[in-house]
Amino acid sequence: RKEVEQDPGPFNVPEGATVAFNCTYSNSASQSFFWYRQDCRKEPKLLMSVYSSGNEDGRFTAQLNRASQYISLLIRDSKLSDSATYLCVYGGATNKLIFGTGTLLAVQP
Amino acid sequence: EAQVTQNPRYLITVTGKKLTVTCSQNMNHEYMSWYRQDPGLGLRQIYYSMNVEVTDKGDVPEGYKVSRKEKRNFPLILESPSPNQTSLYFCASSLGLAGGQVTQYFGPGTRLTVL
Repeated sequence: RKEVEQDPGPFNVPEGATVAFNCTYSNSASQSFFWYRQDCRKEPKLLMSVYSSGNEDGRFTAQLNRASQYISLLIRDSKLSDSATYLCVYGGATNKLIFGTGTLLAVQP
Repeated sequence: EAQVTQNPRYLITVTGKKLTVTCSQNMNHEYMSWYRQDPGLGLRQIYYSMNVEVTDKGDVPEGYKVSRKEKRNFPLILESPSPNQTSLYFCASSLGLAGGQVTQYFGPGTRLTVL
């Protein structure tokens, strides 16, 4: 089993749609979780950290379900500029981050 | 401006010709690391450094070397590049340990092709 599993997509959605991504992780001892965004041929950038209680940042909501070992990202009112690859990331051993292979989102006009 | 810089951004080379990819950060971060990104495999850590003169292997260190003589610089060295090292490479830095609630800042990437 991969350490982090994501649906690669692509998710093709119209502008204004709500879209959700899930990601499962294998290490139940993981303490820190993140969503990173990566535009085509660019570097990953932190979108948001994911906290146990769930957290929201504008149109983005992240949730953590420790019992089922998955995290989710919900994007409301999708914009064209949201088109990117979304990477699920968690803190593995003390000195490393484990990255998923990413989910591609394409928002259509 | 706070940033991580890498050079070169693009490089085409031949098997066996030693090369160095430089990485520099201006945020006074202790932690720096190198990743490679390949289709279907995601980002994999090559080496990391927790501070000056402290480096350790990541998941895929074979064929690579690093050094950390100064806090701001963390070069990646390929002594004898091979075609399977063709990849997109990212340098990253952060204030503390990668597993904690800290933000990793990535450089713009170096696209390496080894013929």
